[in-house]
Amino acid sequence: QITLKEAGPTLVKPTQTLTLTCTFSGFSLSTSGEGVGWVRQPPGKALEWLALIYWNDDKRYSPSLKSRLTISKDTSKNQVVLTMTNMDPVDTGTYYCAHRRCGGGSCHQTYDYWGQGTLVTVSS
Amino acid sequence: QSALTQPASVSGSPGQSITISCTGTSSDVVSWYVSWYQQHPGKAPKLMIYDVNNRPSGVSNRFSGSKSGSTASLTISGLQAEDEADYYCSSYTSTSTYVFGSGTKVTVL
Repeated sequence: QITLKEAGPTLVKPTQTLTLTCTFSGFSLSTSGEGVGWVRQPPGKALEWLALIYWNDDKRYSPSLKSRLTISKDTSKNQVVLTMTNMDPVDTGTYYCAHRRCGGGSCHQTYDYWGQGTLVTVSS
Repeated sequence: QSALTQPASVSGSPGQSITISCTGTSSDVVSWYVSWYQQHPGKAPKLMIYDVNNRPSGVSNRFSGSKSGSTASLTISGLQAEDEADYYCSSYTSTSTYVFGSGTKVTVL
């Protein structure tokens, strides 16, 4: 059974750096094909893909946010960390981590398990 | 990359079928696999369709997906009250990233 849970500050000030941790169970990020991504959602708005890290440490970022994002993994702790610099009020929203669908010897470009999300508010 | 285009809202009566469209470009929908997610208020997204037309185990066969050119579609048949939610499409892209759709609110009349 795969589970993911996000953790991090609920309130950050403008210009600060946000650090979010995704702790997961039920799979290993050292297994070929596995990946964990981050998605955010401003209040009342659409989902926005942010980043993805693969088992082999390959990393992908949203082109519009690439300069502000860093994704990393700690395989021994079953954790993925996302940092976002220079936070602004428009970055307010719920941040989700999600598991890239892998199983039965095949992987897919989709996310099958999601964390509950963590609401981050950017305000002075 | 711009968000995929979805209608803001779609509605239908119980038992009816509805279709939600998702329009992209040659860099995403045309060339790559599309997924669909259901999101109820205050909840995390739930995967409903992946690789254009595949359902994860546990998802009702009332949900089906298709694609033609730059437009992918999600059809919900036998509409039920519990289907009232927001729906998002998503596509892998030619730059090895992902893009989501603008979202569609489904209302069961």
